[in-house]
Amino acid sequence: EPEVTQTPSHQVTQMGQEVILRCVPISNHLYFYWYRQILGQKVEFLVSFYNNEISEKSEIFDDQFSVERPDGSNFTLKIRSTKLEDSAMYFCASSRDRVDSGNTIYFGEGSWLTVV
Amino acid sequence: QQQVKQSPQSLIVQKGGISIINCAYENTAFDYFPWYQQFPGKGPALLIAIRPDVSEKKEGRFTISFNKSAKQFSLHIMDSQPGDSATYFCAASMLGSGSARQLTFGSGTQLTVLP
Repeated sequence: EPEVTQTPSHQVTQMGQEVILRCVPISNHLYFYWYRQILGQKVEFLVSFYNNEISEKSEIFDDQFSVERPDGSNFTLKIRSTKLEDSAMYFCASSRDRVDSGNTIYFGEGSWLTVV
Repeated sequence: QQQVKQSPQSLIVQKGGISIINCAYENTAFDYFPWYQQFPGKGPALLIAIRPDVSEKKEGRFTISFNKSAKQFSLHIMDSQPGDSATYFCAASMLGSGSARQLTFGSGTQLTVLP
């Protein structure tokens, strides 16, 4: 079964540093997403990306965050000037079409970010 | 209004028993309600989903019951097995201003099925 792959699986960074999390969505998917999950809490939507631009973003996704699809396969999340509260599991996801009936969103295994 | 409230936080069931997880929402614009299963160290995986025009959907041992008037929906796992032990998240989505949809997740239920 095709899968969403994410790197790195775990990254430790110092507060104030920039971090780039990388994702390779499923090849024929058109919609890409980042979600995050703070330890022990629920999964929260960050941003969706379609047709080479941000489709929707949450309140969490402020100027500290940016996304990019630098080539035909990768989808990246950049976090500038990381804060302690950015420590979380970041999930990349993709879907063939809009996420509703018949269009499944597939999640990667996550990138665990620890800010110290 | 964007919240989805999920209960219980944790659930312990004997093998062969029925596991029931409940969710409630406020925003009537939600029109798609999936359930996700998450094993430790893995991303959430779609289990089953329902739209509000039906009151029940069954796939194998998993059933979603949907009560539109009460704005509640629940997941029933029949004949629960130890391999079902995982965290279950309900979610809801609606078509937003963009062309994609975002999922609003519940807080999760840690299910443990005892052998």
